[in-house]
Amino acid sequence: EVQLLESGGGLVQPGGSLRLSCAASGFTFSSYAMGWVRQAPGKGLEWVSGIPNSGSSTYYGDSVKGRFAISRDNSKNMLYLQMNSLRADDTAVYYCAKDIPNSGWAFDIWGQGTVVSVSS
Amino acid sequence: QSALTQPPSASGSPGQSVTISCTGTNSDVGRYNSVSWYQQHPGKAPKLMIYEVSKRPSGVPDRFSGSKSGNAASLTVSGLQAEDEADYYCSSYAGSNNLGVFGTGTKVTVL
Repeated sequence: EVQLLESGGGLVQPGGSLRLSCAASGFTFSSYAMGWVRQAPGKGLEWVSGIPNSGSSTYYGDSVKGRFAISRDNSKNMLYLQMNSLRADDTAVYYCAKDIPNSGWAFDIWGQGTVVSVSS
Repeated sequence: QSALTQPPSASGSPGQSVTISCTGTNSDVGRYNSVSWYQQHPGKAPKLMIYEVSKRPSGVPDRFSGSKSGNAASLTVSGLQAEDEADYYCSSYAGSNNLGVFGTGTKVTVL
């Protein structure tokens, strides 16, 4: 079964850091670009970050550029999101998602999400 | 990376059709055939319904169809069913810096 499982969410103070992980199974992880999408409470979806299958490049939305870092370990089938200088408006459910090749970031498989709360 | 514009709500009776619009710019929707549509039920992860403007992933009913004209894309749900009541989001490849962008979301109500 194709599956993505996020972990690492939690409560963190403003200015703090958190590292999210996403474990992939059921597909050849190293063949697919991956991304992170978040959803603030009661709000819409926001594209956060993407990484190609090779990990050779990284891409970030304007609101997280310079603070977040996406990475992957193809040997472990793992995707990561390092989040630094966290702010209250980073509070959201964070989803990892698998991309359809050459689709322009169409995500066909999603994890269940992990909750990040930034508050003092 | 400005959000694509969708109407906040849409509705229809069972069996009817509903169409949701998604308006972008000539830097995203208008430039690339990379529009996707997602369905999200409360408390659940989004589900891909349409990609590359009009392609349906395996398992998505053919009641769901997508199209694009200029800077605007549309999702049509025909033969509305109770389980189609959900939030729907469009997204597009945004080109510059290889980013993606989502729409503002539309809540579909089945009357």
